[in-house]
Amino acid sequence: GESVGLHLPTLSVQEGDNSIINCAYSNSASDYFIWYKQESGKGPQFIIDIRSNMDKRQGQRVTVLLNKTVKHLSLQIAATQPGDSAVYFCAEAPQGGSEKLVFGKGTKLTVNP
Amino acid sequence: NAGVMQNPRHLVRRRGQEARLRCSPMKGHSHVYWYRQLPEEGLKFMVYLQKENIIDESGMPKERFSAEFPKEGPSILRIQQVVRGDSAAYFCASSPQGTKETQYFGPGTRLLVL
Repeated sequence: GESVGLHLPTLSVQEGDNSIINCAYSNSASDYFIWYKQESGKGPQFIIDIRSNMDKRQGQRVTVLLNKTVKHLSLQIAATQPGDSAVYFCAEAPQGGSEKLVFGKGTKLTVNP
Repeated sequence: NAGVMQNPRHLVRRRGQEARLRCSPMKGHSHVYWYRQLPEEGLKFMVYLQKENIIDESGMPKERFSAEFPKEGPSILRIQQVVRGDSAAYFCASSPQGTKETQYFGPGTRLLVL
């Protein structure tokens, strides 16, 4: 069935360290993946996306890696800053049909100064 | 360029009342999605609309919930005869084309049913 999950519900890092947030998905037919950041009391904010024909995509301080063999997605944040503290969600869009996104439960990232 | 706008930001209703949530998509976007989020959980898809059409309502409860996106004006998510279990944050997202395009989210409406 369609489900997206995360390995760790919380992650605590020191300012300046790199952060890695993981996500497992079960629908091998999904062909589009997005990472969102959600701060307390706010809506999800787009960070980066990747399509299934790619293994890696880089943005500003962020990198998304997609391993289709083991159905795993990760978000790497370089030089983590206090402003990066938030809940991070991965979402997948199943191939074909509706454009709905299936979200995981989220990982809460805390950056310690 | 204004982002996705939602109002009200907070809504308090008593059991049995109606709740109306509004969403104005980003300029140039004609595809709207509604999601619901319970505390400490991810977002759950409810409904996907284009102008004047419901494309996918597979995530929306069959009773008491309805959604529309008229030719003019915002998209409306309507919840009739609210119950305490309807208390949640409701987020609207929009995209320009709707075909595996990034969905941009609004700030949400937090509904509290007393």
